[in-house]
Amino acid sequence: AQSVTQPDARVTVSEGASLQLRCKYSYSGTPYLFWYVQYPRQGLQLLLKYYSGDPVVQGVNGFEAEFSKSNSSFHLRKASVHWSDSAVYFCALSESGSFNKLTFGAGTRLAVCP
Amino acid sequence: DMKVTQMPRYLIKRMGENVLLECGQDMSHETMYWYRQDPGLGLQLIYISYDVDSNSEGDIPKGYRVSRKKREHFSLILDSAKTNQTSVYFCASSLYEGRTEVFFGKGTRLTVV
Repeated sequence: AQSVTQPDARVTVSEGASLQLRCKYSYSGTPYLFWYVQYPRQGLQLLLKYYSGDPVVQGVNGFEAEFSKSNSSFHLRKASVHWSDSAVYFCALSESGSFNKLTFGAGTRLAVCP
Repeated sequence: DMKVTQMPRYLIKRMGENVLLECGQDMSHETMYWYRQDPGLGLQLIYISYDVDSNSEGDIPKGYRVSRKKREHFSLILDSAKTNQTSVYFCASSLYEGRTEVFFGKGTRLTVV
């Protein structure tokens, strides 16, 4: 069965600093990978997705992620964070042929300090 | 405005009571989902519905059932709620079960005491 691991439960960075949130997956086939963001008292919103092709995918609000098959990873990055980026970030995976049955990681809570 | 609406947003029930969580979407999406979110576990899929009266178990269906009689409406039912069903429940929808974005509601926080 597939699984997603986000090893950092909580990350704190200063405003303007760069950011990397880690995501590792376990799946025997070629996965479809997603990053979602959850702001307080809100539902999840899609940041970006990877299906195939260029391993670096761009998302909203300056976020990008890089897929690495050799490392089974899909890390999220941002060059310069803003206080409004404070939220919980979820990495998710779906199997090929079952696109929207998502398996989620436990989430990483990001706190951006002024 | 495309959205998934969940009612109620907060609910407290006693153990053994029946619980009805309701979800609506205004996007004519075929596929709808129910997830629960627990600390340290992320979201887990309870049920998926491909259309009216076409429902399929997700990863953790035990203790839950669903009803979809109209395309825009999907209900989650807990018969005789248990304390371990205390959680935040998210409804979601997508145009169809394929490479389409999944839209999430704001969640219902259920506490079973």
